[in-house]
Order: sequence, then C-alpha cells, then structure tokens
Amino acid sequence: NAGVTQTPKFQVLKTGQSMTLQCAQDMNHNSMYWYRQDPGMGLRLIYYSASEGTTDKGEVPNGYNVSRLNKREFSLRLESAAPSQTSVYFCASSERSGGYGYTFGSGTRLTVV
Amino acid sequence: KNEVEQSPQNLTAQEGEFITINCSYSVGISALHWLQQHPGGGIVSLFMLSSGKKKHGRLIATINIQEKHSSLHITASHPRDSAVYICAAVSGAQKLVFGQGTRLTINP
Repeated sequence: NAGVTQTPKFQVLKTGQSMTLQCAQDMNHNSMYWYRQDPGMGLRLIYYSASEGTTDKGEVPNGYNVSRLNKREFSLRLESAAPSQTSVYFCASSERSGGYGYTFGSGTRLTVV
Repeated sequence: KNEVEQSPQNLTAQEGEFITINCSYSVGISALHWLQQHPGGGIVSLFMLSSGKKKHGRLIATINIQEKHSSLHITASHPRDSAVYICAAVSGAQKLVFGQGTRLTINP
C-alpha cells in the first residue's frame, strides 16, 4: 500500500548512543517532515525538506540532524541521545509545502534511558 | 497563548450523539487540517480546507477565515470514532501549527 514507512517502530537507547530513524514515501511527494509528539505539547516540527536537496530547521532542531537522501527518503539522526529526546517521532510527507496530500508514518516510540 | 487552540480538550459522549470540536487560531493561515489519531498512535489526515465546508461520510469540517475558527462535526457518533482529533493550521510557506488535540470518547 502506498504511504509513509518509518523504521524502527520502537527503540530504547542509552544516553549518549546514536541512532538514525528512517523514513520513506512512495507517493512521489516533494515535501517531507519530521515531528516529535510529547504529552501535553502536541506535535512539534523538528526538520523539514521542502524538496529533494533542501532541508531546514523547524521548531525544535537541537540535538538532531537530517538527510534528504533522495526524493523518497528522509532520515533523522540523533548523534548523542539524551533523556529529553524520549518521545514519539513521526515522519510525514506532502505533495508540496503547505500540506496537500499530507500523510503520516506510523511513528517511532523512542525511549532514552 | 498557543497560536492554535482547541476545545474541548476532552469530550465524552454517548453513541449516536452529535459531536462538535472547535479550533481557533491567531495566525494568518492559507489552510487548515483536521487530523485523527487513534489509540494505536497512527495519524490520519481527515480534511484540508481553506474555505467553507467539506463533508466525508459522517464527518463535516467548516472554516470561517474571517473569524479564524474551524469546527469538526461528527454526526451519529460511534465508539469507533473514539480518538484524538487535532487541528493544524498551515501558516507560512512550510509551517504547520498544531493544536493540542481533543480526546474524544464515545461510549456504547
């Protein structure tokens, strides 16, 4: 089925470890996004990529890096995980900036201990 | 004060009731999304609207740009409608600003 695929679904890290969250979409969307969702905070934008080859910071970029590998794939990297990065992470894509055809991945539940 | 405010935060109703969830925003927007998040965590886009009204099955979304207000209505509510409903305003070229969500519980 067409959509946004995120891996892994669950992950436990120790403080200081690194990891990469993978995201791929097969809808030929131009724009891709990474969000985190915390209780009481709603969804917050970490980074986005308006089109292949471009990335920009969102509301909460500190501690994260991203790579828009090609039009399909947009990865999120935590270089040195901290307990404050315990959250649920969602990747999303849209046809163009502004959100036409907005589609979310199923989420990654990350715990940093 | 959040740029996008939803009310109520929690709503419990009986099956069959008419449900209204409200969203007010203080930023200039080009469009607004209504999203649904089920207990399993997945998020689905229900509507994207920039004016007027859209209907899909038992769901109706309206927006009043002048009043900076949108509503999501559910007719003949059912327990399977139990979820968190989130409005998100498209503000600026790239930015979606999210409300905190409304947790809806429909009891049989």
